Amino acid sequence: AQSVSQHNHHVILSEAASLELGCNYSYGGTVNLFWYVQYPGQHLQLLLKYFSGDPLVKGIKGFEAEFIKSKFSFNLRKPSVQWSDTAEYFCAVTPDSNYQLIWGAGTKLIIKP
Amino acid sequence: SQTIHQWPATLVQPVGSPLSLECTVEGTSNPNLYWYRQAAGRGLQLLFYSVGIGQISSEVPQNLSASRPQDRQFILSSKKLLLSDSGFYLCAWSVPGAFPDTQYFGPGTRLTVL
Repeated sequence: AQSVSQHNHHVILSEAASLELGCNYSYGGTVNLFWYVQYPGQHLQLLLKYFSGDPLVKGIKGFEAEFIKSKFSFNLRKPSVQWSDTAEYFCAVTPDSNYQLIWGAGTKLIIKP
Repeated sequence: SQTIHQWPATLVQPVGSPLSLECTVEGTSNPNLYWYRQAAGRGLQLLFYSVGIGQISSEVPQNLSASRPQDRQFILSSKKLLLSDSGFYLCAWSVPGAFPDTQYFGPGTRLTVL
């Protein structure tokens, strides 16, 4: 069965630290990849997405993610985090021609001021 | 602009009681609609999706059902709730015919079954 793994359930960082959240998926075909974020008290919203083309995609608020097909990975990065990045981050994958998004369990990120 | 509404925001129901959660979308026509359940530490699980009025696809067998009586209305129901139905339920929509697409989420309903 297809699955998405987010390796860290909780991450605590200090402001200005660099961030990398891991995401791996298990599907051998063409995939479309997403990172969603849920800030405290807000709706789940799209952070960035990859469908095709340049495997390094840039999203909102200085986030970026790199699709490495050989590693089945789509890790999320930010060079310098801020307190306002405190949120829960979800990686999701949809195999091509399929409406179903397969979600990772999420990573709760806490930034200490 | 498009907006998505869900109600109620929170709900506490006894085991065996019926359930009706409502989701409506404004500002778009014939959206794709989705119901998800989010369990703590387990991500989101797709329950139902709909590409049009009266067209419902179920992803997992369960105690729940969904209906789409109007173009922009999506309802999640149960005749008799189970304890295991407790969770956070999210409705989402996406642009019709645009695949792969971005899904836009509502605020969610926190359901507690006692």
